[in-house]
Amino acid sequence: DTGVSQNPRHKITKRGQNVTFRCDPISEHNRLYWYRQTLGQGPEFLTYFQNEAQLEKSRLLSDRFSAERPKGSFSTLEIQRTEQGDSAMYLCASSPNYEQYFGPGTRLTVT
Amino acid sequence: DQQVKQNSPSLSVQEGRISILNCDYTNSMFDYFLWYKKYPAEGPTFLISISSIKDKNEDGRFTVFLNKSAKHLSLHIVPSQPGDSAVYFCAATNAGGTSYGKLTFGQGTILTVHP
Repeated sequence: DTGVSQNPRHKITKRGQNVTFRCDPISEHNRLYWYRQTLGQGPEFLTYFQNEAQLEKSRLLSDRFSAERPKGSFSTLEIQRTEQGDSAMYLCASSPNYEQYFGPGTRLTVT
Repeated sequence: DQQVKQNSPSLSVQEGRISILNCDYTNSMFDYFLWYKKYPAEGPTFLISISSIKDKNEDGRFTVFLNKSAKHLSLHIVPSQPGDSAVYFCAATNAGGTSYGKLTFGQGTILTVHP
C-alpha cells in the first residue's frame, strides 16, 4: 500500500509539552497539505507545501506551530507548548493536482 | 464565516434507494468541488469531483450535480448500500487561482443506510 501514512496515530500529552507529527506522502506527489479537524466539523486548512517550499499558512497556525518538508519528501508538524485547545485530529494530504489523498490522521489529546 | 455549508447533519436511507446529499457555497471564486467519505478513525477518502465548467459528473453509483447559479451541489448515490454508511464531506477550492488547491470543507453529513 503506497498511500499517505502518518505517525503516530494517537498522541496524549500534557499541557505545555511539545509534540511532533510525521507525514509520508504518496511518493510522486509534490503537493502536501496539513489540516486540523475537531469534533463535528470538517477539516480546516493549516498549511501547504509544494516540494520543499511552504507556500501558504493559515492564520489558524499560531507561532507555536511549525511545519517542515525537508527535501520535498516527508513532512513534520510541531506544536510547542501545547494547549488543551490543540486537541484535534491532524490530517495530512498529498496531491498531484486538485484531488487530495488523505492519511489516517494523528489524534492529539492534550490533558 | 462558513463558505461551504452542509445543512443536513444526518440522512437515513433504506438500502437500494437513492441517497441525496446537499452542499451550498458562498464564495464565487470556487471552481472545483469534491466529495469525500470518512469512516471513524480513518482519514477522508476521495469519492468524486467536478469542475465548474461541467454540471454533472458520474462515477459508478456516484453522481455529482453542480448548479453554479444557485451555488449548490449535490451527491447522488444509487443504489445505496449499507457499506455507504459514513460521514460525507463536501469541499471546494479555487483551482485556477493562488489558493494552491487548499480545500474548504463543509461540516459533513452522516449517512446511514439501513438494510
